[in-house]
Order: sequence, then structure tokens, then C-alpha cells
Amino acid sequence: SQQGEEDPQALSIQEGENATMNCSYKTSINNLQWYRQNSGRGLVHLILIRSNEREKHSGRLRVTLDTSKKSSSLLITASRAADTASYFCATQETSGSRLTFGEGTQLTVNP
Amino acid sequence: NAGVTQTPKFQVLKTGQSMTLQCAQDMNHNSMYWYRQDPGMGLRLIYYSASEGTTDKGEVPNGYNVSRLNKREFSLRLESAAPSQTSVYFCACSTVLDQPQHFGDGTRLSIL
Repeated sequence: SQQGEEDPQALSIQEGENATMNCSYKTSINNLQWYRQNSGRGLVHLILIRSNEREKHSGRLRVTLDTSKKSSSLLITASRAADTASYFCATQETSGSRLTFGEGTQLTVNP
Repeated sequence: NAGVTQTPKFQVLKTGQSMTLQCAQDMNHNSMYWYRQDPGMGLRLIYYSASEGTTDKGEVPNGYNVSRLNKREFSLRLESAAPSQTSVYFCACSTVLDQPQHFGDGTRLSIL
């Protein structure tokens, strides 16, 4: 069964706008990770946020984690056409356990 | 800087045929994984190897076997392919289980 569920399933925006994707999960976690997948390629790791962290930044990416609501969000600022991809959240329930991936959000950035 | 290399990239099999998917990493990582990706299902873990010499079942291991040949190589075998195993298969690696994973570009497998 899926632990993480992304919302929305699909998002279409114009270049320069911000994109926000959300992930909800059901059980307590050790960490939550966000990955990007370009069409026809493998997943690329973006950010890992641990259960005791609330926010992390990497370039134009900002990830927040609210463990009380069991949710996370990925914000991409000033989006570019090259950001067009599927974005997945993945949760790890306990240290050493497997990652469980959500079904992803398909982001389209129109030039 | 190859990272994770999967072979073949595409394969078509007939029901009942056997096949081995190969994965090799040059990142000197300890842990390796096999996933399958189906439309609307996200990625599901088939098998993983926390370190050389160990393998464990994931979420969907039935119909598959794995071999951790050495630290670099982790193969996935389908003994008797079934149409339900039509999917895109991804291999990944990480330094240890808790760390971010690095993925290959996948093997697209169709079983007729």
C-alpha cells in the first residue's frame, strides 16, 4: 500500500511561477525524501528531510515537513521549462527500513 | 561518471521465458535495490541488498530472484516471465539504507 500520496496528480504552470506539491503519509517516519523523474529516465534525489527537521532549502527548492499533520510540501520557485518532470515523495518509516514511494505529481512548466 | 548502469534498456519476452536484468554501480555504495514502476502505482520495491552478501525481499518479490554478485553488481532474474511482469525496472544504490538513492535509467520489459 502507498505510504505517501502526492497532491495534485498534475500541475501546469507558466515559466517564472512557483510550483507547490504536497505529500501526505499515514504513519510516523524517520525521514521523507523528494525525487524528480524526467520522462524516460531514472529518479534523481532532490532533498532528504528528517523527522526532527521542519524546513530545508536547496537552490530554488524548499521542502517543509509537518509531522503533526503527517504532510510535506515541495516548493519550486521561479520555475523553468526544464523543471517539467514527475515529482515523487518517499517515506522511510524507521531507520534501515525500505522507502515507500507515492504515485507522483506530473509538473508541466510552459515556456 | 556512469553511476548506475542497467542492461538491457529494452526487452521483449514471451510468456514463460526467463531473463536476467543486470545492474552495476561504480559509486562504491553498499546498498542496492530493484524496483518496478507501473502506471498509477509509483515505484514498488522488489528486492534489496543492504550490503554485499545479503539480500532481502521487498514489497513485491513473487516471481523474481536476485543475486548480489559483488559490491558493484546486483542482478534480477525472472525465471518464468508472465504478462503481469510487464513494467519498467529500476536499479538503485545508496551508501547505506538510510541515505538517498541513485537510480539507473531503467529497463523497459514487455512480456507477451
